[in-house]
Amino acid sequence: NAGVTQTPKFQVLKTGQSMTLQCAQDMNHEYMSWYRQDPGMGLRLIHYSVGAGITDQGEVPNGYNVSRSTTEDFPLRLLSAAPSQTSVYFCASSLTGTGGTDTQYFGPGTRLTVL
Amino acid sequence: GQSLEQPSEVTAVEGAIVQINCTYQTSGFYGLSWYQQHDGGAPTFLSYNALDGLEETGRFSSFLSRSDSYGYLLLQELQMKDSASYFCAVLKPYNQGGKLIFGQGTELSVKP
Repeated sequence: NAGVTQTPKFQVLKTGQSMTLQCAQDMNHEYMSWYRQDPGMGLRLIHYSVGAGITDQGEVPNGYNVSRSTTEDFPLRLLSAAPSQTSVYFCASSLTGTGGTDTQYFGPGTRLTVL
Repeated sequence: GQSLEQPSEVTAVEGAIVQINCTYQTSGFYGLSWYQQHDGGAPTFLSYNALDGLEETGRFSSFLSRSDSYGYLLLQELQMKDSASYFCAVLKPYNQGGKLIFGQGTELSVKP
């Protein structure tokens, strides 16, 4: 198993550009989520999904869209990038997301800079 | 609201024991988890407490007291490779969104 994969690893955007961060998992996990990590801010939940066709907002959803058309993929879209979205983005998945022993598996991250 | 508080940094020497505390202001969660992150890489799962008390996994132990809204991660026989950031996290129940909420992390530096 590849686990959780994210592409790209690095990205530089100009203000106002749009892009999609890709996330895929091959573990047949129902629960997937996106976090952003800023210095001193820990991991903040952007959006999450408890299964294909179901998504919901996390703590910091503004400026981001998600969809979940398949179990495997959970892309994160930035419609109009802003410098405040400069961050490291992590995608994570777990089997069901309904129990604490349900370990979250994280991808390697995407380092995004918005100029 | 809901928040988890951790010390921002902790320093210890190789071979020692260190405790990283996590206090929280949230209710209705499944349990308290701990994750390790090296040099900004992918966080990895370390330990989980569903019930009050101590859980031991090798050199790492984790403790939870729901009545005190408090938990900690205990690292024994510290090694240089334990230098990393450590995050506590709570998982909200499915009927409250099933969200995993993280603390801001504690950076542990292990000195020779």
